[in-house]
Amino acid sequence: SQKIEQNSEALNIQEGKTATLTCNYTNYSPAYLQWYRQDPGRGPVFLLLIRENEKEKRKERLKVTFDTTLKQSLFHITASQPADSATYLCALQTGANNLFFGTGTRLTVIP
Amino acid sequence: KAGVTQTPRYLIKTRGQQVTLSCSPISGHRSVSWYQQTPGQGLQFLFEYFSETQRNKGNFPGRFSGRQFSNSRSEMNVSTLELGDSALYLCASSRDPGGIPGNTIYFGEGSWLTVV
Repeated sequence: SQKIEQNSEALNIQEGKTATLTCNYTNYSPAYLQWYRQDPGRGPVFLLLIRENEKEKRKERLKVTFDTTLKQSLFHITASQPADSATYLCALQTGANNLFFGTGTRLTVIP
Repeated sequence: KAGVTQTPRYLIKTRGQQVTLSCSPISGHRSVSWYQQTPGQGLQFLFEYFSETQRNKGNFPGRFSGRQFSNSRSEMNVSTLELGDSALYLCASSRDPGGIPGNTIYFGEGSWLTVV
């Protein structure tokens, strides 16, 4: 069956460190992978998109990698800040279909 | 530019009732998608409308339905509510249909539905 798994439900990290979140998928062949941020009681907000033929994408303190052989994406936040605390969702897009989301990782950055 | 607007934000319904949720997309966006979010299942795709036509549908029972109007505003309806329908219902809009490669969608704040 198709699955999108994000490494852990919750991740705590010290301020200033790099947070690394994992998204693994099975039985999908995504052409695109996206990462979203969701704050409590709010809708998800788009952060980054990476294509299957791209290995890495960066935006300010954010970096995403996409390994179609391992069927995995890594999402990094460098120099993490308490304001980065939120739930992060990965989403796959395959063909003409809409987005399929993982269940998310709740990141807490401790001052 | 105003974002995606969903109403109502919170509502409580009784089992067996029906509910209608409304979504106004970002101006100029013609695609509206609906998602259900629960702690156990995460974000699950319900359906997408583009130019008043349903393009895609997720794996939900027929009690869940929707429609889109000529001004791109959309409504979703859930009939014969069950306790398990309690969830955050999110609407998202985009300029292009959902299947367009790399299409970015913009979410509203959601409607919290509690079924008692």
